[in-house]
Amino acid sequence: KNEVEQSPQNLTAQEGEFITINCSYSVGISALHWLQQHPGGGIVSLFMLSSGKKKHGRLIATINIQEKHSSLHITASHPRDSAVYICAVRWKNTDKLIFGTGTRLQVFP
Amino acid sequence: NAGVMQNPRHLVRRRGQEARLRCSPMKGHSHVYWYRQLPEEGLKFMVYLQKENIIDESGMPKERFSAEFPKEGPSILRIQQVVRGDSAAYFCASSRGTSGLQETQYFGPGTRLLVL
Repeated sequence: KNEVEQSPQNLTAQEGEFITINCSYSVGISALHWLQQHPGGGIVSLFMLSSGKKKHGRLIATINIQEKHSSLHITASHPRDSAVYICAVRWKNTDKLIFGTGTRLQVFP
Repeated sequence: NAGVMQNPRHLVRRRGQEARLRCSPMKGHSHVYWYRQLPEEGLKFMVYLQKENIIDESGMPKERFSAEFPKEGPSILRIQQVVRGDSAAYFCASSRGTSGLQETQYFGPGTRLLVL
């Protein structure tokens, strides 16, 4: 079993739909990251969370430390949101990131 | 402020050759991390360096792989005597290094290594 599990693995949506991607982890962490990897392969850091909720534009990320769970929400999805979304956790007291296998999102017009 | 730079973006090597991958962190960043993404797999941590020091290399294969981050110049990930299984995307990330464990890591565009 991986320390970081994401669901779903693949997700298709129509433009405008509300999207949720889930991440569960089994280790003690100091922070959780959400990353976006575009078809060309580049990686962009979307959020870093250690508690609560963060919002940036149409993206919202939440984390529940007690339940070891985080969600990434995309409101009013758009085809340009099509990418792989990766959850990564930073083990407590280390700088090492452990990554989930990613959720491949395709948004159709 | 330029982002994290990696070069080359694509590298082709024959089995047995050496591969050198370079990473220039963002300006003002003193921490560098290397990650590897094998085909159809997730990212895996390799090594974490600060200027002139290796802090954590627990993700590095024991043989053929080495990393450095000299006082001047980019961080280098070196793979000696490459094999086909080394074919992967290698990503570098950097962070400022002043805020402890709560820092965002900024990723470079990656180097895609293909071993023939």
